[in-house]
Amino acid sequence: KAGVTQTPRYLIKTRGQQVTLSCSPISGHRSVSWYQQTPGQGLQFLFEYFSETQRNKGNFPGRFSGRQFSNSRSEMNVSTLELGDSALYLCASSLRDMNTEAFFGQGTRLTVV
Amino acid sequence: GENVEQHPSTLSVQEGDSAVIKCTYSDSASNYFPWYKQELGKRPQLIIDIRSNVGEKKDQRIAVTLNKTAKHFSLHITETQPEDSAVYFCAASKLDGSSNTGKLIFGQGTTLQVKP
Repeated sequence: KAGVTQTPRYLIKTRGQQVTLSCSPISGHRSVSWYQQTPGQGLQFLFEYFSETQRNKGNFPGRFSGRQFSNSRSEMNVSTLELGDSALYLCASSLRDMNTEAFFGQGTRLTVV
Repeated sequence: GENVEQHPSTLSVQEGDSAVIKCTYSDSASNYFPWYKQELGKRPQLIIDIRSNVGEKKDQRIAVTLNKTAKHFSLHITETQPEDSAVYFCAASKLDGSSNTGKLIFGQGTTLQVKP
C-alpha cells in the first residue's frame, strides 16, 4: 500500500509570506502528526490530529497551525514566515495514536529567504 | 516538560564492532520507546521499539534495553556494517489518560559512521 505522501517536496518562500504543506497518510491511518526537523534542534513535535481534532500540540508559536480533513489528510500552515522557520517538515501517520508504529513521509524542505 | 536526552551525538566504529546509543527520558509515565533510523536524504524509519512492560527486545543484530527505574534506554547494534551508517533517533511517548493519545518526543539524534 502507498506510504505517507507529502507535498510539495521543496518550497522557497520569502519572509512574511505564509505557506501550506500537505500530508496524505497511509490508508486506514487516522492519526497524523507533524514534526519540524532542523540540524540543531532535531525532531520537534508540532501537533497531532485524529478524526479532524487536534489532540496534542507542541511548543510552537500560534503562527503554526494545522487541520485534518474527513479523509485523514492533513495540512499545516505557517503564517508570517521567519528565516528560522527554514527546516524539513515531516508528517507521520499511525493507526490510532503515537504509541503505535509511526510511518513518516519524505518531508517538505522549506527555505525562507 | 517532557525531554529526551541522547548520547553520543556522533559515533564512529569499525565494521564488525558494536555500537551503543543511550537515551534518558524525563517523564516517568512514558511507556513506549521507539528507535528510528534516518539515512541521508531519506525519511526516518522505525527499526525497533520497546514498551515499558518489557526490559529487553532483540531483532537480529539490533537490541534495545530499558531501565524504567533509571529512566533510560539504549540501542545496541552488533557486527556493524557500512549500511548501518545513518542518524539514529530515540523517542519516548505516553498515553495521555484524557485523550488516549501520545506524542513522540525525540532525542537529538546520533550520527553513526561505520568504517569499512
